[in-house]
Amino acid sequence: GAVVSQHPSWVICKSGTSVKIECRSLDFQATTMFWYRQFPKQSLMLMATSNEGSKATYEQGVEKDKFLINHASLTLSTLTVTSAHPEDSSFYICSARDNSGANVLTFGAGSRLTVL
Amino acid sequence: AQSVSQHNHHVILSEAASLELGCNYSYGGTVNLFWYVQYPGQHLQLLLKYFSGDPLVKGIKGFEAEFIKSKFSFNLRKPSVQWSDTAEYFCAAASGGYQKVTFGTGTKLQVIP
Repeated sequence: GAVVSQHPSWVICKSGTSVKIECRSLDFQATTMFWYRQFPKQSLMLMATSNEGSKATYEQGVEKDKFLINHASLTLSTLTVTSAHPEDSSFYICSARDNSGANVLTFGAGSRLTVL
Repeated sequence: AQSVSQHNHHVILSEAASLELGCNYSYGGTVNLFWYVQYPGQHLQLLLKYFSGDPLVKGIKGFEAEFIKSKFSFNLRKPSVQWSDTAEYFCAAASGGYQKVTFGTGTKLQVIP
């Protein structure tokens, strides 16, 4: 079945540094990928829709200059948290929609970011 | 605004008990509905989905859900739960164009052996 890989699965960084998280569709192509953030005991919050070859579409309240998204190929989207602060500590999850038309999302395992 | 609500935040059942988790959505137009499961330490997995047709949808591991349009509901059911069903369950909805998926807050199911 379809597999989405996220890397790293766990990252700890100092405040003020930037962190890049990768999301790869391993056995299918994905024009569209989605980035979510999950707070403890809360649901997934959609941050942005990543579109291959074009700018990401950000949800209201999400700072696009802070959360940089790049979707340079049909199998890779990256989320860069710039100048991270402790409040950015969270669980970031990506999902990808298979171009073949299955019309379901496949989720990555998530990346836990801890900013000290 | 589009929204998905799950009324049960934490459910505790004994093995072999029947399960029903509530999900209501607020969407205009055509809606696609999903149930995802997240087992401890694992990522989200699709349990079942409804796009059109038979409103009673059967998914993996004996789960099913019924789409009731008049009630804007898509409740998840299982006749007899097992300890291995302990997980968090998320209801989700998307518009017909499937550009964005909105998730409910999730229901933690704990099955006691």
